[in-house]
Amino acid sequence: DAKTTQPPSMDCAEGRAANLPCNHSTISGNEYVYWYRQIHSQGPQYIIHGLKNNETNEMASLIITEDRKSSTLILPHATLRDTAVYYCIADFYNQGGKLIFGQGTELSVKP
Amino acid sequence: DTGVSQDPRHKITKRGQNVTFRCDPISEHNRLYWYRQTLGQGPEFLTYFQNEAQLEKSRLLSDRFSAERPKGSFSTLEIQRTEQGDSAMYLCASSLAATGSSYEQYFGPGTRLTVT
Repeated sequence: DAKTTQPPSMDCAEGRAANLPCNHSTISGNEYVYWYRQIHSQGPQYIIHGLKNNETNEMASLIITEDRKSSTLILPHATLRDTAVYYCIADFYNQGGKLIFGQGTELSVKP
Repeated sequence: DTGVSQDPRHKITKRGQNVTFRCDPISEHNRLYWYRQTLGQGPEFLTYFQNEAQLEKSRLLSDRFSAERPKGSFSTLEIQRTEQGDSAMYLCASSLAATGSSYEQYFGPGTRLTVT
């Protein structure tokens, strides 16, 4: 599995967009990018995943660069409840195996 | 769909005692995973099952750890002769793996183990 690199922490003002970057320069062609988040004292929660194209769901948007070496998770209108640790994971699609979590980015949404 | 449940939520035990945790996955999910998380770190994979078969075990899973999923439904994780280093949050997750589909993992709330 490709290694991912994320900033350890970020701040965002409530109501503004939160843009969380992730570097995965060694990602292979059949590895997807997954994002999970973990709110304090809870289990991780799946957010979104993608391969090449940009993806959007009700929670977030995922922008993957054309060379696939980096991606950005966008929370369009951050709320206080989005304060959490966000993990970017590169993994083989449908291999069903382990997720390799890094240190993640601790996002603090401030009023 | 009640989500993934874990029992107990908290466990305090003395060093050397055995402990057992239970995980009930989402009912139609065929894959079940165990992870361990220590303070300030991301979750670390321990093992996973497809139905009742244990398909992968991490090197973190020493001989003192054993996991079962006897009927392909709930799973148990047992730690024998607990050590202080076993203190952590133990997370269970489940997923539905089918050819051509994604397999987002759904996590339970975790069991926090404290070994004194």
